[in-house]
Amino acid sequence: AQSVTQLDSQVPVFEEAPVELRCNYSSSVSVYLFWYVQYPNQGLQLLLKYLSGSTLVKGINGFEAEFNKSQTSFHLRKPSVHISDTAEYFCAVSDSDTDKLIFGTGTRLQVFP
Amino acid sequence: DADVTQTPRNRITKTGKRIMLECSQTKGHDRMYWYRQDPGLGLRLIYYSFDVKDINKGEISDGYSVSRQAQAKFSLSLESAIPNQTALYFCATSDMGGTIYEQYFGPGTRLTVT
Repeated sequence: AQSVTQLDSQVPVFEEAPVELRCNYSSSVSVYLFWYVQYPNQGLQLLLKYLSGSTLVKGINGFEAEFNKSQTSFHLRKPSVHISDTAEYFCAVSDSDTDKLIFGTGTRLQVFP
Repeated sequence: DADVTQTPRNRITKTGKRIMLECSQTKGHDRMYWYRQDPGLGLRLIYYSFDVKDINKGEISDGYSVSRQAQAKFSLSLESAIPNQTALYFCATSDMGGTIYEQYFGPGTRLTVT
């Protein structure tokens, strides 16, 4: 079965600085990968997804992620963050054995002025 | 209107009480899921249903039951609530065709068991 590791539980960063949120998954033949964002007091919203094709995936709000098969990673990046990006971010991977999504434990991004 | 709705949004209940959380969707999706979210633990799957007659246990189903009343409705019940079931509960849906793994979430129900 698949598993997902988000190495950083919290990432503090100043406004307009770049940020990278790390995500690693256990190896599999083929996977679909997702990043979800949860703003305070809200549900989860899809940020971006990798299904196939280009390994660089662009999402909403200026975020992008790169699928790296050899390193089994799918790190999320943004070149310049805003206060409004303060949220919790979840990485998720498909598990073809169980036909479900497996979620990481989340990374809380805190953007300071 | 939201595609996935959950009621109630907030609930405080006492230990031993039975409580039902409801989820409705207008997306026409066959698959529905119930998760709970706890700080530091991410989302854990409680139950899921791939269609009205197909209901499956997730990783933490003990103490919970579900009912799929229709394609659009999926309810989660706590038969006898206990304090460690205090959590944020999310319902989600996904489509049978295309990207079946892409899930759409409701706004959540914050449940407190005292």
